[in-house]
Amino acid sequence: GAGVSQSPRYKVAKRGQDVALRCDPISGHVSLFWYQQALGQGPEFLTYFQNEAQLDKSGLPSDRFFAERPEGSVSTLKIQRTQQEDSAVYLCASSFRQSSYEQYFGPGTRLTVT
Amino acid sequence: DAKTTQPTSMDCAEGRAANLPCNHSTISGNEYVYWYRQIHSQGPQYIIHGLKNNETNEMASLIITEDRKSSTLILPHATLRDTAVYYCIVGSSGGYNKLIFGAGTRLAVHP
Repeated sequence: GAGVSQSPRYKVAKRGQDVALRCDPISGHVSLFWYQQALGQGPEFLTYFQNEAQLDKSGLPSDRFFAERPEGSVSTLKIQRTQQEDSAVYLCASSFRQSSYEQYFGPGTRLTVT
Repeated sequence: DAKTTQPTSMDCAEGRAANLPCNHSTISGNEYVYWYRQIHSQGPQYIIHGLKNNETNEMASLIITEDRKSSTLILPHATLRDTAVYYCIVGSSGGYNKLIFGAGTRLAVHP
């Protein structure tokens, strides 16, 4: 079956532009996570949704980062006024239920801010 | 969440077993050990998890020491496609499972 998909796969933004990154989780998955992965490092947690509710946004680095999942399926991560330090791969993961052990990751969106 | 320590890199010959160690000396009683791997330019992939007993699935085996302070992921017959960064993660089973990744072990499988 279809896995987690993310779009676009690559995004180049000029400093100061706003960007929106999309995640399509596996159908029926309740939990959705966003992670940020800088070059050469492991992924870092950004935020967590259970259905449409954002239960944890403790990892969002600044108020320029905003995530939503209005209907409990597709999610969008928005970054306003991008900065060079926002350059990273943004990974989305979903799992069947809140207590699931296994998260299914998408391929990520590579954001480059010039 | 408990922190983990892994070697930065390891090599393995194709067809041989790859044994990847992980130290998690501050693990608490209700925390699981999870292993994920990340092949270049892909998202991480779940491999296996365990609490205190050894576990085996179609991908790998997980050996956890009796004191639970360390574990070893075993790929019994490594192939070139197993070249990846392997992450050992400790996390609670309660609530949602926010994964805290470290730097992982870069495993290179060579012919």
